[in-house]
Amino acid sequence: QQQVKQSPQSLIVQKGGISIINCAYENTAFDYFPWYQQFPGKGPALLIAIRPDVSEKKEGRFTISFNKSAKQFSLHIMDSQPGDSATYFCAASRDSSASKIIFGSGTRLSIRP
Amino acid sequence: NAGVTQTPKFQVLKTGQSMTLQCAQDMNHNSMYWYRQDPGMGLRLIYYSASEGTTDKGEVPNGYNVSRLNKREFSLRLESAAPSQTSVYFCASRKRGQGNTGELFFGEGSRLTVL
Repeated sequence: QQQVKQSPQSLIVQKGGISIINCAYENTAFDYFPWYQQFPGKGPALLIAIRPDVSEKKEGRFTISFNKSAKQFSLHIMDSQPGDSATYFCAASRDSSASKIIFGSGTRLSIRP
Repeated sequence: NAGVTQTPKFQVLKTGQSMTLQCAQDMNHNSMYWYRQDPGMGLRLIYYSASEGTTDKGEVPNGYNVSRLNKREFSLRLESAAPSQTSVYFCASRKRGQGNTGELFFGEGSRLTVL
């Protein structure tokens, strides 16, 4: 059972454009939603995370939007740059100290120069 | 700091062979994890250890065993490798308790091919 569904599987965006990746979750007990970024040959690294007490969190060009009623959250990358080309994973868990973190299937993002 | 170190980085096995993937972290983290990454499947949790002395099954534990040797080390063993276990394996660790941010710290992965 896939508890976190991520789309699209791949995405191509022109330099300077907005990249949008969407995730949906099923377990209403989830209350910690991180995004991880992975470059080829490397392990994933935390990019940004949100808890459902806020609807949006912004860090630089990266923004998470959260819709608790729809059980959906998304990552927006503004002014996308070639250096943003990577695989992005959304994830969810019950809280930030919970043992299990469930990941989405990943989105391969390519930014065209 | 080295962070999370995995060995080996690459391994080729024949069906039925056994092997152990090693993982060590130097961040004094309580929790450690093993994930596998397959195309289109994302990162799937195999086993985790919430604290030293405990281990629990994740989403895809069949065919694997783990050992939390001490606070630093968490190993993953394949007793009889199968082609379906061809994957990239990632070890990760996380701090628990006060000061915890929820962040998982990953190693660089171990690429395993089973022929």
